Amino acid sequence: RKEVEQDPGPFNVPEGATVAFNCTYSNSASQSFFWYRQDCRKEPKLLMSVYSSGNEDGRFTAQLNRASQYISLLIRDSKLSDSATYLCVVNTASSNTGKLIFGQGTTLQVKP
Amino acid sequence: DVKVTQSSRYLVKRTGEKVFLECVQDMDHENMFWYRQDPGLGLRLIYFSYDVKMKEKGDIPEGYSVSREKKERFSLILESASTNQTSMYLCASSPTSGVFYEQYFGPGTRLTVT
Repeated sequence: RKEVEQDPGPFNVPEGATVAFNCTYSNSASQSFFWYRQDCRKEPKLLMSVYSSGNEDGRFTAQLNRASQYISLLIRDSKLSDSATYLCVVNTASSNTGKLIFGQGTTLQVKP
Repeated sequence: DVKVTQSSRYLVKRTGEKVFLECVQDMDHENMFWYRQDPGLGLRLIYFSYDVKMKEKGDIPEGYSVSREKKERFSLILESASTNQTSMYLCASSPTSGVFYEQYFGPGTRLTVT
């Protein structure tokens, strides 16, 4: 079983749609969770950290469910510019070296 | 603003050549990482370093070595390049303070080995 699993998609949605991605992780001791965004042929960039209580940043909402070991990202009112690959990221928790585990990513295509 | 730079955006090398990929960060981060990214396989960790002259193997270290002589610089070395090392190579850095260990990435080096 992979340490971090995501549905690779692609998710094809029209502009203005709401879309949700889920991600599961295997290490119950993980402490830090992130969503990164990666545009085509570019480097990954942090989209948002995920806090236990859930957090929102504009049209983006991230949720963490520790009991079920999954993380979600909700995008409301999708824009064409949201088209990208979204990476679910979890820290290993076994050391303090900052090592992160990246999911393979979920591809989102927003159509006009 | 955090900046991570990589020495080349595109590189073409021949089989058997020794290849050096350089990464520099300007935020005084303790941790530095080298990944490769391939379609369908995602980001895979090659090596990481949590301090000067310290290094640890990641998930796929075979065929690679690293060097960290200065805090800001982390080099990835392909001792004898092979065609299966054709890939996108990404360097990242992160601080050790705090809980979240956000990693900042360089723009990547697309290496082709012919």
